[in-house]
Amino acid sequence: AQKITQTQPGMFVQEKEAVTLDCTYDTSDPSYGLFWYKQPSSGEMIFLIYQGSYDQQNATEGRYSLNFQKARKSANLVISASQLGDSAMYFCAMRGLSNSGYALNFGKGTSLLVTP
Amino acid sequence: EAGVVQSPRYKIIEKKQPVAFWCNPISGHNTLYWYLQNLGQGPELLIRYENEEAVDDSQLPKDRFSAERLKGVDSTLKIQPAELGDSAVYLCASSSGTSGGAGSTQYFGPGTRLTVL
Repeated sequence: AQKITQTQPGMFVQEKEAVTLDCTYDTSDPSYGLFWYKQPSSGEMIFLIYQGSYDQQNATEGRYSLNFQKARKSANLVISASQLGDSAMYFCAMRGLSNSGYALNFGKGTSLLVTP
Repeated sequence: EAGVVQSPRYKIIEKKQPVAFWCNPISGHNTLYWYLQNLGQGPELLIRYENEEAVDDSQLPKDRFSAERLKGVDSTLKIQPAELGDSAVYLCASSSGTSGGAGSTQYFGPGTRLTVL
């Protein structure tokens, strides 16, 4: 079984500051992928970044980076230079890559509000 | 490149009525997913298609929910009859494969927000 835990129901950050959204996971699958999605109030789930469990380096995509600590089973999302448009729900998700199915297992999300 | 298209965006119906949602995946994506998202929760898988075959429907309440993906492209999810507890957002996603890695990334549509009165 897989489980994603996001312990921060809500976060505030000032514009242009960096923010870290926490995500811890649990899985028995030896190979897995970790994803972060952004869901604005419009409802669409927007893919942000991917990290494979065997990737040697932390993933980065523009202002997004993933702080992957495999031993601690954490995959925190770091958003640098926050913008007002970053205000949204953020979901951490994972899926096994071997024998545990292909569905994404999501956390409950963190609501991020960027203030001027 | 066009993203995943879903319609309608919003639907309000009375309980016991039928309702259907439509999804057009990203061109070339042979894997299609339907997820259910309740308020304040992350999405949960209802069904996954590989081309036209439903390969994972273990979470689909088959007494009232049905789905089809004719010709392995568009898909329709139906509820008949709808219940009050079905009020949620129904998300469709597609991916180019399931073999793993970044290539298995699922891309989501805007969802259909269903309200059952």
